[in-house]
Amino acid sequence: AQSVAQPEDQVNVAEGNPLTVKCTYSVSGNPYLFWYVQYPNRGLQFLLKYITGDNLVKGSYGFEAEFNKSQTSFHLKKPSALVSDSALYFCAVRVPLFMTTDSWGKLQFGAGTQVVVTP
Amino acid sequence: KAGVTQTPRYLIKTRGQQVTLSCSPISGHRSVSWYQQTPGQGLQFLFEYFSETQRNKGNFPGRFSGRQFSNSRSEMNVSTLELGDSALYLCASSPDTSSGNTIYFGEGSWLTVV
Repeated sequence: AQSVAQPEDQVNVAEGNPLTVKCTYSVSGNPYLFWYVQYPNRGLQFLLKYITGDNLVKGSYGFEAEFNKSQTSFHLKKPSALVSDSALYFCAVRVPLFMTTDSWGKLQFGAGTQVVVTP
Repeated sequence: KAGVTQTPRYLIKTRGQQVTLSCSPISGHRSVSWYQQTPGQGLQFLFEYFSETQRNKGNFPGRFSGRQFSNSRSEMNVSTLELGDSALYLCASSPDTSSGNTIYFGEGSWLTVV
């Protein structure tokens, strides 16, 4: 069964400093990996995904993530954090359908990491 | 292009009642899935529909059900509500069932059971 771990409940960073949100996964085969952000009382907004190809993926709002197969990680990064980046971040994994039909429409989410950016 | 639209946004129900939540996917999207978000359990997959057929179901009791209409709009129903059903219910859509597709989420329906 696939699983996703976000080891930090909260990440605190000063505005202008680099931001990293960690994610590791456990899944058979080659997973599809996603990052979403959730602002208070809102739904999830898609940031970026890794399907195949270049291990460094660039997404919305200046975020990027690096897929590391040997470490089974997909950490989210932003070179210079903004106060407006304060939100709840979710990593998610999906197993390709050719490996399991249990993947129909299903994202397996991590527990989420609260990011707090201070001025 | 309009995003995923969910109604109602907020509702309060009494234990034992039933509730129906509605979701309109992004235009052209044919796959609709539902998730429950709670502080204790996080984000959990409920079910997924494509072409009016339920393709996958999460580990929820039979009180949770759903359906999809021919225009891809979807509803989910929770019968005999329990206090523990209080949650944010998120609907999501994607163009088809390809697992590499991005899944886009709506703003959610906040359900409070009292």
